This record gives sequence, C-alpha cells and structure tokens, in this order.
Amino acid sequence: DVKVTQSSRYLVKRTGEKVFLECVQDMDHENMFWYRQDPGLGLRLIYFSYDVKMKEKGDIPEGYSVSREKKERFSLILESASTNQTSMYLCASRVQGGSYEQYFGPGTRLTVT
Amino acid sequence: QKEVEQDPGPLSVPEGAIVSLNCTYSNSAFQYFMWYRQYSRKGPELLMYTYSSGNKEDGRFTAQVDKSSKYISLFIRDSQPSDSATYLCAMTGQNFVFGPGTRLSVLP
Repeated sequence: DVKVTQSSRYLVKRTGEKVFLECVQDMDHENMFWYRQDPGLGLRLIYFSYDVKMKEKGDIPEGYSVSREKKERFSLILESASTNQTSMYLCASRVQGGSYEQYFGPGTRLTVT
Repeated sequence: QKEVEQDPGPLSVPEGAIVSLNCTYSNSAFQYFMWYRQYSRKGPELLMYTYSSGNKEDGRFTAQVDKSSKYISLFIRDSQPSDSATYLCAMTGQNFVFGPGTRLSVLP
C-alpha cells in the first residue's frame, strides 16, 4: 500500500512564526504536491515538485516556499505565518506520468493565532 | 467562472437511496475524470476514474462523463451509512483540478 505521512495532524502557531510541514512518501514517486483545503474552495495547489530539487508554483504560492532535497520528502514552509494561512494542508504524491491518481496524506490542520 | 463547479451540499439521504453527485467544468482539454472520497479528518482517496466520455461501473458506484456537456456524475446505489463522506470530483489534462466537494450524509 502506498503510504503518505505528514509530520503533524494538528498544529497551532503564532503570527509571524516560521512553520515547517513535512511530508514523506514510501512509494518512490517522482511527483509530490502540497494543497490547502478550505470550506467552499476545495483543494488549491500551492506548490508541486516533479523530482528532487525541482519545484513549480501552483495556484496560490504566495507566502509559502518548499524544499525537496530527497525523493521521498517534500516540505512546505510558511516563512512568516499569518492568520489567513489557517487551513487544512494536504500532501500528495503521484508516479511520474501517472495521469489520474494522487495519493494523499491524512492532512495537517494548522491554526495560526 | 470557476474551472470546476460542484454543489457543496450538504446532501442527506436515507439508507438505501440512490445518490447522484455532479460536477460541471469549463476546460475542454480535461481527459481524465476522477472521484475522490474523503472521510472526516482523513485525506482524499481515489474512488473511481474515467478516461474521456462514457460510463464506468464498480460495485454500487457508477461514474459517468459527458464531454459534450462538460458534465460528470457519480451515482451510488443502495447507499450505506458508511458512504457518508465528502466526494470530490477531479479532472486532469495538463493540470490537476479539484471540485470543492459535496458532503453526503446517509442516514440509517
């Protein structure tokens, strides 16, 4: 079974803090994604990575950065957390050239106060 | 206009009912059409996918794609309380796009 794990299920941070969200997948997938999920807006793509050290901006990259130093690990960084970044963050992975299936982690519920 | 539109619900039905979930989209380049199911406090998981137009059946679930109308549907027969979840449509051409999801409750 494909497994995508995220470092925390729930996280509470203060405004201005630097926040790291970690994602690890165990299926040797080339592609990895970070989404945020908000009620009424669905999943919105923040960043994705085709392979190690490669990254591409998604639809809403402002206020975020990413790091992919190893194939299995994709990190999302909030440089200076703000209250409008309170959300559910979902990581996903997909095999290169796989057209339809992304495997999701359980999500991290981040609250910024 | 949003790229993918989906009625957010919530939709409540009695156990055993037939459920119809729908999405409309605007980008004719989409080729793969998927339905993901997301239980509370979990990540989405792929339920069904269809390539281009047509129907696909898997047990109690049927996915239907009408590319000419840019409309996709998921039908659930003999719905069960365990089907209570949020259902997300998704589609891909160059990019992966998700609908906002419909929350379904199946009442015993």
